[in-house]
Amino acid sequence: GQNIDQPTEMTATEGAIVQINCTYQTSGFNGLFWYQQHAGEAPTFLSYNVLDGLEEKGRFSSFLSRSKGYSYLLLKELQMKDSASYLCAVRDVNYGQNFVFGPGTRLSVLP
Amino acid sequence: DVKVTQSSRYLVKRTGEKVFLECVQDMDHENMFWYRQDPGLGLRLIYFSYDVKMKEKGDIPEGYSVSREKKERFSLILESASTNQTSMYLCASSLLDQRNGYTFGSGTRLTVV
Repeated sequence: GQNIDQPTEMTATEGAIVQINCTYQTSGFNGLFWYQQHAGEAPTFLSYNVLDGLEEKGRFSSFLSRSKGYSYLLLKELQMKDSASYLCAVRDVNYGQNFVFGPGTRLSVLP
Repeated sequence: DVKVTQSSRYLVKRTGEKVFLECVQDMDHENMFWYRQDPGLGLRLIYFSYDVKMKEKGDIPEGYSVSREKKERFSLILESASTNQTSMYLCASSLLDQRNGYTFGSGTRLTVV
């Protein structure tokens, strides 16, 4: 089976750095995605990791350790518009190659 | 601008009604998915389809059915709506190998009264 865990809520200050963690247990790991979802809107793609290490894309970076079943999303120079939910999704070859989504982390950025 | 379009943003239906949620994508994607999203539970897969006229059950198919008569359209059907089906419904599509992840629609917030 699959189990994905994320903190439910986080709060950070504008201009700061925040790290959102995701831990997972899957039988056939084949990639991890991070999505951003603003309230009332569709999730949008942020990053994809399939190999260990850090992927950087502007203010956002994502890290993966397959041996630890662990990923994090790092947001730098936080802006008010970064207030959103962040969804971790794991691709599992034993789940029809479909993604399994975590519960999401609601991030609030305060002035 | 490629996209996934869901026909309604908000719907209110009565218990026992038959409800149709429509989803259309213009990216020529092979795969299409229906999820529901509830607070604290995340996204849960209802049904998916890898090809026209093909459908597979996800994690929570009970009370739902789907139809995929054309590649670009994937419909979710609630045969007899119940209050526990009040939720946000999200449609998504992807390439066959899913290498670029999913593109989601804006969602339909369904309330069953």
